[in-house]
Amino acid sequence: DVKVTQSSRYLVKRTGEKVFLECVQDMDHENMFWYRQDPGLGLRLIYFSYDVKMKEKGDIPEGYSVSREKKERFSLILESASTNQTSMYLCASSFLGGSYNEQFFGPGTRLTVL
Amino acid sequence: DQQVKQNSPSLSVQEGRISILNCDYTNSMFDYFLWYKKYPAEGPTFLISISSIKDKNEDGRFTVFLNKSAKHLSLHIVPSQPGDSAVYFCAASRRFGNEKLTFGTGTRLTIIP
Repeated sequence: DVKVTQSSRYLVKRTGEKVFLECVQDMDHENMFWYRQDPGLGLRLIYFSYDVKMKEKGDIPEGYSVSREKKERFSLILESASTNQTSMYLCASSFLGGSYNEQFFGPGTRLTVL
Repeated sequence: DQQVKQNSPSLSVQEGRISILNCDYTNSMFDYFLWYKKYPAEGPTFLISISSIKDKNEDGRFTVFLNKSAKHLSLHIVPSQPGDSAVYFCAASRRFGNEKLTFGTGTRLTIIP
């Protein structure tokens, strides 16, 4: 079974703090993705990566950065957290050329910025 | 520009009846369509998919229908069970060159016992 794990299920941070969200997948997937989920807005893509040290902006990259130093690990960084970044953050991974481009998701991190 | 739309934020269905969730898209270049199911405090899990060369795909109680001319797909759940209560997202993707999924805004399905 594909397993995607995220470092924290719940996180509370203060405005202005630097926040790291970690994601690890164990199936040697090439592609990794970071989304945020907000009520009424669905899943919005923040950043994605097709390979180590490679990153591409998604639909809402402002205020975020990412790092992919190893194939299995994809980190999302909030350089200076703000209250409008309070959200559910979901990491996903997929095979390059996989069936239907199916993505496998982690359990999510509920981030609250005070 | 919302390329994938789920116009019903919520839906309530009696247990045992049919649940029909709808999804519309605007990009005619999409090749693959997927449905995901999400429980609270969990990540989405893949449910069923369909290719643009087909108009129907069935997996147990779940059937997805694709109408390319109308740019519309629907997920049918028969019979509906209490465990089906969740948020359902439809997603779309192109086959080559871009493996991102574009998600809709989700429909919260509640099955009434």
